[in-house]
Amino acid sequence: QQKVQQSPESLIVPEGAMTSLNCTFSDSASQYFAWYRQHSGKAPKALMSIFSNGEKEEGRFTIHLNKASLHFSLHIRDSQPSDSALYLCAAANSGTYQRFGTGTKLQVVP
Amino acid sequence: GGIITQTPKFLIGQEGQKLTLKCQQNFNHDTMYWYRQDSGKGLRLIYYSITENDLQKGDLSEGYDASREKKSSFSLTVTSAQKNEMAVFLCASSTGGAREQYFGPGTRLTVL
Repeated sequence: QQKVQQSPESLIVPEGAMTSLNCTFSDSASQYFAWYRQHSGKAPKALMSIFSNGEKEEGRFTIHLNKASLHFSLHIRDSQPSDSALYLCAAANSGTYQRFGTGTKLQVVP
Repeated sequence: GGIITQTPKFLIGQEGQKLTLKCQQNFNHDTMYWYRQDSGKGLRLIYYSITENDLQKGDLSEGYDASREKKSSFSLTVTSAQKNEMAVFLCASSTGGAREQYFGPGTRLTVL
């Protein structure tokens, strides 16, 4: 059974800093990897996803996947107070549903 | 774009009571999900459904039933509410398991 774990559990960074969030997964057959963001009191919303090894950049956000080490990460460049939220990673193989991690609570302080 | 609506927004019940939560989506998605989110934590899958009248158990199905009578709606029943399951219940839909999920605003359950 797929296990997805996130680190750190919580993080405080200054405005303008680079933020790095980590996610490990246990099923080497996983093919879909995603990050979701959930602002306080709101529904989770998909941020980015990736299918193959490497990097994908969208604006200030970069997702990096290394299947061999069962690890993917989200990097936020020039972090803003509006980025403060709970970040959830998820992994799935093609035949099953996404399993979510326990979340990283990010706070960006001005 | 589409939208997912969940009713009610807040649900208060007594311990041992049977309670039903409802979810509707107009994305025309095949797959729908129910998750439980304990305060500030990750999402645990209760049930999912890949098409009308299909039901699949998730990791947390014990104590819950689900029903998918129409493609657009998915209901979750708490069979006997317990105080340790006070949480936010989130409904989601997607075109498939390895695709972006769209979430509803949630139902917050309080058990007295």
